Amino acid sequence: NAGVTQTPKFQVLKTGQSMTLQCAQDMNHNSMYWYRQDPGMGLRLIYYSASEGTTDKGEVPNGYNVSRLNKREFSLRLESAAPSQTSVYFCASNSGFQETQYFGPGTRLLVL
Amino acid sequence: GEDVEQSLFLSVREGDSSVINCTYTDSSSTYLYWYKQEPGAGLQLLTYIFSNMDMKQDQRLTVLLNKKDKHLSLRIADTQTGDSAIYFCAEQGGSYIPTFGRGTSLIVHP
Repeated sequence: NAGVTQTPKFQVLKTGQSMTLQCAQDMNHNSMYWYRQDPGMGLRLIYYSASEGTTDKGEVPNGYNVSRLNKREFSLRLESAAPSQTSVYFCASNSGFQETQYFGPGTRLLVL
Repeated sequence: GEDVEQSLFLSVREGDSSVINCTYTDSSSTYLYWYKQEPGAGLQLLTYIFSNMDMKQDQRLTVLLNKKDKHLSLRIADTQTGDSAIYFCAEQGGSYIPTFGRGTSLIVHP
């Protein structure tokens, strides 16, 4: 099992550009999550999907959109990137309520 | 809302024990987790404890939970340079979503 995979690993964008971060899991998990990690801030939840067909906002959703494409895949889109979105983005998944989360390796995004 | 607090840094000598502390505010927490993040990598679950337990031991790792004081600790015995990483405490209560602390950077020096 590959677990949780994320693409790309690194990305540099100019302000105003758009991009989609991809996440896939092969553990048949119901729930998937997007976090961002900034120095000294820990992990902050952007969006999550409790099950296929549902998505909900987390703590810091502004400037992002998500799509739960199917049970395996959960993408995060930046429509118009801003320097404040420079961060490391982690996708995670779990089988459901109060189950352990499994994390992907992260996407490092720099917005100039 | 819920809050999880950790100190940001801990420095220990190789071979010593490390103790990383965490406090949380959600009295309905049912699961408490410790994750490890190595440089350039994602978070990996190290261990977890149910809220009805006081202690859990797993090889070099000992987790202690004081539910009355809402205090969680992770002790790493015989700390090695490979233990250098960021350690995150997280708690999960009545919601889908765990609340993470900001992480403690453990630095192990010879």
